[in-house]
Amino acid sequence: DVKVTQSSRYLVKRTGEKVFLECVQDMDHENMFWYRQDPGLGLRLIYFSYDVKMKEKGDIPEGYSVSREKKERFSLILESASTNQTSMYLCASTRLSPGTQYFGPGTRLLVL
Amino acid sequence: AQTVTQSQPEMSVQEAETVTLSCTYDTSESDYYLFWYKQPPSRQMILVIRQEAYKQQNATENRFSVNFQKAAKSFSLKISDSQLGDAAMYFCAYTAGGGSEKLVFGKGMKLTVNP
Repeated sequence: DVKVTQSSRYLVKRTGEKVFLECVQDMDHENMFWYRQDPGLGLRLIYFSYDVKMKEKGDIPEGYSVSREKKERFSLILESASTNQTSMYLCASTRLSPGTQYFGPGTRLLVL
Repeated sequence: AQTVTQSQPEMSVQEAETVTLSCTYDTSESDYYLFWYKQPPSRQMILVIRQEAYKQQNATENRFSVNFQKAAKSFSLKISDSQLGDAAMYFCAYTAGGGSEKLVFGKGMKLTVNP
C-alpha cells in the first residue's frame, strides 16, 4: 500500500515563528502536493512539485515556500506564521500519468 | 479556469438506504479525469472512485457508482446500502492530467448516516 506520512498531526505555533511541515511518501511518486483545507472552502492547492528541486505555485502560494531535495520528501515552510494560516494542511502524491492522489493524514496547525 | 461545484453542503441518509451526491464541473478540455474522495472524521482522505472522461461506461466500485453525464458536465456519486462507516466529508475533484496532475476540488459535502 502507498504510504504518505506527515511529520505532525497537531502543531501549535506563535505568530512570526518559522514553521516546517514535512511530508514523506514511499512509492517513488514523481508528483507531490501541499493543500490547505478550510471549512466551506474545500482543498486549495498551495504548491506542487513534479520532480526533485522542481516546484510550481498553486492557487494560494502567498506566505508559503516549499523544498524538495529528495524525491520522497516534500516540505512546506511558513516563513513567518500568521494567524490566518491556522488550518489543516494535507500532503499528497501521485505518479506522472493521470492517477490517483494519495493523501497523508494531515497536520492541524494552530497559530496563536 | 476549471471549477468544481458541490451545491449541497450537507446530506443525511438512513442506514441501508441509497443516497446520491451531486457534482458539476466546468472545463473546456475534452479529456480529463474525475474523482470522488472520502474523508472520514479525523481520518485520512481516500479515493472512492474515479472516472476517465473518454470512457462512456460509468465507474462502479462495490456499493459506489457514478452517473457521469459528459455533455451536462455532471458527475454524481451514488452510495447504495449506506453504512455507518460511510459517514464522512465527500469531495468531488477534477484533473485534466497532462503530467502535473493538479486536482481541482469542490468544497465538499458532509454525509451523515442515521442508524
